[in-house]
Amino acid sequence: NAGVTQTPKFQVLKTGQSMTLQCAQDMNHEYMSWYRQDPGMGLRLIHYSVGAGITDQGEVPNGYNVSRSTTEDFPLRLLSAAPSQTSVYFCASSPPGAEKLFFGSGTQLSVL
Amino acid sequence: RKEVEQDPGPFNVPEGATVAFNCTYSNSASQSFFWYRQDCRKEPKLLMSVYSSGNEDGRFTAQLNRASQYISLLIRDSKLSDSATYLCVVNPRTGNQFYFGTGTSLTVIP
Repeated sequence: NAGVTQTPKFQVLKTGQSMTLQCAQDMNHEYMSWYRQDPGMGLRLIHYSVGAGITDQGEVPNGYNVSRSTTEDFPLRLLSAAPSQTSVYFCASSPPGAEKLFFGSGTQLSVL
Repeated sequence: RKEVEQDPGPFNVPEGATVAFNCTYSNSASQSFFWYRQDCRKEPKLLMSVYSSGNEDGRFTAQLNRASQYISLLIRDSKLSDSATYLCVVNPRTGNQFYFGTGTSLTVIP
């Protein structure tokens, strides 16, 4: 089983560039989310979705957009990358009841 | 106030030692509690859920104290392979959000 698949694993951007981090899950999970992890800060929720067509903001949504056109996919868009967005990004999904999070392997993003 | 707070450590313990981590949460209505393990540069993985009555999985024991709003994880007979960061996670069930603590770093020394 593929589980949660994130691409790319590594990315370097210049300030002002835009890009999309891809996340797909094949477990038919309704809940999907994006986190960023910075040293000493733990994982912070960026955006989440409780089903296709529904998205909502988490703790640190500024500078990021999401959409959820299908149950499987939940891409994260950086509109104009800034050095403050240098981080490790994790996508996660959860089955109904939100009893457990399944994580993708992460994307290490550097913005120069 | 943070939703979930943890002592970041680091905890450096010898093999065979018993070590305990605590975590506090701010939302008294929180419903679900978990401990995740994260190895360096890897994704977090569920270690165990935490139930009201307390639960055990081999050398690991998790407990919940709702009155004081804290969760604990006890690791007995520490192994080198237990070296990792342990994340406390709380789901308040008020929006399907999971809140993570900053993690506690454990290094088990030979």
